[in-house]
Amino acid sequence: ETGVTQSPTHLIKTRGQQVTLRCSSQSGHNTVSWYQQALGQGPQFIFQYYREEENGRGNFPPRFSGLQFPNYSSELNVNALELDDSALYLCASSTDRGKTGELFFGEGSRLTVL
Amino acid sequence: AQSVTQLDSQVPVFEEAPVELRCNYSSSVSVYLFWYVQYPNQGLQLLLKYLSGSTLVKGINGFEAEFNKSQTSFHLRKPSVHISDTAEYFCAVSDPDSWGKLQFGAGTQVVVTP
Repeated sequence: ETGVTQSPTHLIKTRGQQVTLRCSSQSGHNTVSWYQQALGQGPQFIFQYYREEENGRGNFPPRFSGLQFPNYSSELNVNALELDDSALYLCASSTDRGKTGELFFGEGSRLTVL
Repeated sequence: AQSVTQLDSQVPVFEEAPVELRCNYSSSVSVYLFWYVQYPNQGLQLLLKYLSGSTLVKGINGFEAEFNKSQTSFHLRKPSVHISDTAEYFCAVSDPDSWGKLQFGAGTQVVVTP
């Protein structure tokens, strides 16, 4: 069984640029959630995708957007990067919007904005 | 909105000693409660969860937690820790109708020394 994989693992961008992060969900999972983990803090919920539709969003501005594809993999896009966007971005997959209560996390993409 | 407070940012503990990590949440209505562990440079892994039923929940690696509704607490315990338990531990909460959209605490760093 393949786990959750994220790419890239590390990347550096400058303010104002755009970034795309990718996530392949665990086999059999139809739900992907994205979290932002700033240094020294707990993860914060960005949004969730269920069967290619956004299914809930946290307190993040519209420049954070996402997609889910028919194979349930997902992308997180961030436009007009700001310094405070520097963080570890975690993808978590689950079945049926997380109904079982367990999320399976990838190892994250660490974004540094200079 | 839900909030989670982890009362200790860091807990030093000797190998084979017991450890307790404290977690309080804000909601007075039904909630789902979780403990996740994050080892260095890795994603989060579920230790245990409380959805309903018995207030004493047993998880992986010898951890257990007790749900206390009157005190809105969900403290994590292990009777005897190992060096390999050195990690960051996160308490999280979600509404029963918001599966997969977790509100995390700031985390507790556990450092186990010989």
